[in-house]
Formats: sequence, structure tokens, C-alpha cells
Amino acid sequence: GAGVSQTPSNKVTEKGKYVELRCDPISGHTALYWYRQSLGQGPEFLIYFQGTGAADDSGLPNDRFFAVRPEGSVSTLKIQRTERGDSAVYLCASSLQAGGPTDTQYFGPGTRLTVL
Amino acid sequence: KQEVTQIPAALSVPEGENLVLNCSFTDSAIYNLQWFRQDPGKGLTSLLLIQSSQREQTSGRLNASLDKSSGRSTLYIAASQPGDSATYLCAVRRHNDMRFGAGTRLTVKP
Repeated sequence: GAGVSQTPSNKVTEKGKYVELRCDPISGHTALYWYRQSLGQGPEFLIYFQGTGAADDSGLPNDRFFAVRPEGSVSTLKIQRTERGDSAVYLCASSLQAGGPTDTQYFGPGTRLTVL
Repeated sequence: KQEVTQIPAALSVPEGENLVLNCSFTDSAIYNLQWFRQDPGKGLTSLLLIQSSQREQTSGRLNASLDKSSGRSTLYIAASQPGDSATYLCAVRRHNDMRFGAGTRLTVKP
């Protein structure tokens, strides 16, 4: 595809429910990143994949959050037992290969998650 | 921990004015610094990327500078247009993650 796509664009759920957010990176990009953006703030790093493996998950706030990328392309961010504080825009980005001073991340439009 | 600060938080200017957005960061050990644009309800669009060894980058009416030793970057926008209205974010990268500032919300009035 032409760019990074994310589905759904909006998700409304109730407190305590489980949600999955999907990211389709740019074809051929080996690195994939998840960020969370709260209102009025910049994106906050959650997790980074190089290929199929999570190379850095230090930004995940707690064990309710989990992400997978089983075939090294599409990634799913999973949130268990959602809380109202999880409400935010979840952004996905991909890059050709991670690391290096010229590596540019390309962002998707995000999924707006609202937990009631 | 890297902290990124952007000043001002919001800026409103008349069309045609030149303007400067500021970004500061606390840890100078970075790979690069990027400036992004974000329109309401949209993702981020990369504007300029400055490697840690570089001092500035230019693209059209945009010029970004980097002073790594003092932990500062500026984004200069020449001859602003209403279409430049958006939130501008700077981000510094070290290893695999990027740290973002909270952004400057720019409004250019016709």
C-alpha cells in the first residue's frame, strides 16, 4: 500500500473489555513501532518490532498491554481489561530498517480508543 | 530520561509572517532530530530530519537547525500560509525509540 494503515479508525469500548488494534505497515518495512498519544501531548513510545520479534517493549505501561507481529508485517496491539485511562490515539509507524541516523518513521492515521 | 520541550505551546500569526518554533532536549546523545506536522485527527507527517552530525536541513519554506551541544533545535517557516496551520512536533531519537515534545499549535490567519 501507499502508506501505513490502521484499523479501526475509532473504537469505543466499555471499561473491562478487551480490544485489538491493527496496523498494516508499508510493504517491505522491517521495523514497526507503536505509540500512544493523549490529548495535548506528543506521542509516547510503547513498543518496537524488528521483523517478528519485539526488540524493545520498555514503553508498554503494564502487563495489560501486549503486541504481536507473527509474520513480520501486520501487527496487532492488544489491551486487556481496558481502563478509562487507556483512552488515547494509538499510532503505528514503520521504517525501512531500524536504527541509524537517517532512518525515517512513517506514521499511520491512528486509532482513537475511547473507554467508557 | 530524555525530556523534550516545545515553546510556545500555541502560536497565532497573520499570513505572510516568518516564524520560529523552538524545541529543547535534555540528553544530547541522539541519533537524529525530526520535525513533524500533525493535522487534527490525522497521523504525523515528517517534515525534516537532521542527523546528529548535521547543523541544519532545508525543504522549501522550512529550515530546521540543530545545536546538539546546547540541546536545541528551531524550525523556521518563511512566508507563512493558512495551509501551514497544524501542530508541529519535534522528536529526538536514540536507539529504537523517539521522544516527542508536546507540540506547538500554529494558526496562520488569512
